[in-house]
Amino acid sequence: GQNIDQPTEMTATEGAIVQINCTYQTSGFNGLFWYQQHAGEAPTFLSYNVLDGLEEKGRFSSFLSRSKGYSYLLLKELQMKDSASYLCAVCDSNYQLIWGAGTKLIIKP
Amino acid sequence: IAGITQAPTSQILAAGRRMTLRCTQDMRHNAMYWYRQDLGLGLRLIHYSNTAGTTGKGEVPDGYSVSRANTDDFPLTLASAVPSQTSVYFCASSEVGGSSIEQFFGPGTRLTVL
Repeated sequence: GQNIDQPTEMTATEGAIVQINCTYQTSGFNGLFWYQQHAGEAPTFLSYNVLDGLEEKGRFSSFLSRSKGYSYLLLKELQMKDSASYLCAVCDSNYQLIWGAGTKLIIKP
Repeated sequence: IAGITQAPTSQILAAGRRMTLRCTQDMRHNAMYWYRQDLGLGLRLIHYSNTAGTTGKGEVPDGYSVSRANTDDFPLTLASAVPSQTSVYFCASSEVGGSSIEQFFGPGTRLTVL
């Protein structure tokens, strides 16, 4: 079966760095997405990785290792507005997105 | 309109009733999707459409139907609602279907079936 695993909840301090991990087992792989979802709102796109390595975009970076079925999202200089759920999704062989349950990130002052 | 709109924002529905959730996008995207989001579970694909006039089944299609008469609109119909269909429903679109490309989401419809 297809499976995406990520921690249910994480807590971090304002100004710090946090790494949210995602492991996956899917039928085929056509890229991995990270989305951000604030409570009561729609998911919004953060990053896309299809090749191994690190993609940096401002305070956010995303890493992929296809051989390990592993990705992480790194958030630096955390701000209170970063409190949200972070969703990992893999594009499978049918080009459909398989979603993880999301990681709720709580930022404390 | 800018992006994707969904209606209604929320709805309480008696079991057995018929309900259509509306979704409209103004980005001229070819592909559109319907997901449901339940607590503790990831987004699950109900139905999708890669282009106007075509539709396909996702992971959890039972009890739902869709149509794609034109590029902009992608309504989702529950023919006879059941309590297990209580969920938040998101419509999404992307420029191209059948490819790994960013999806844009509507604001969601919160549906409660009693």
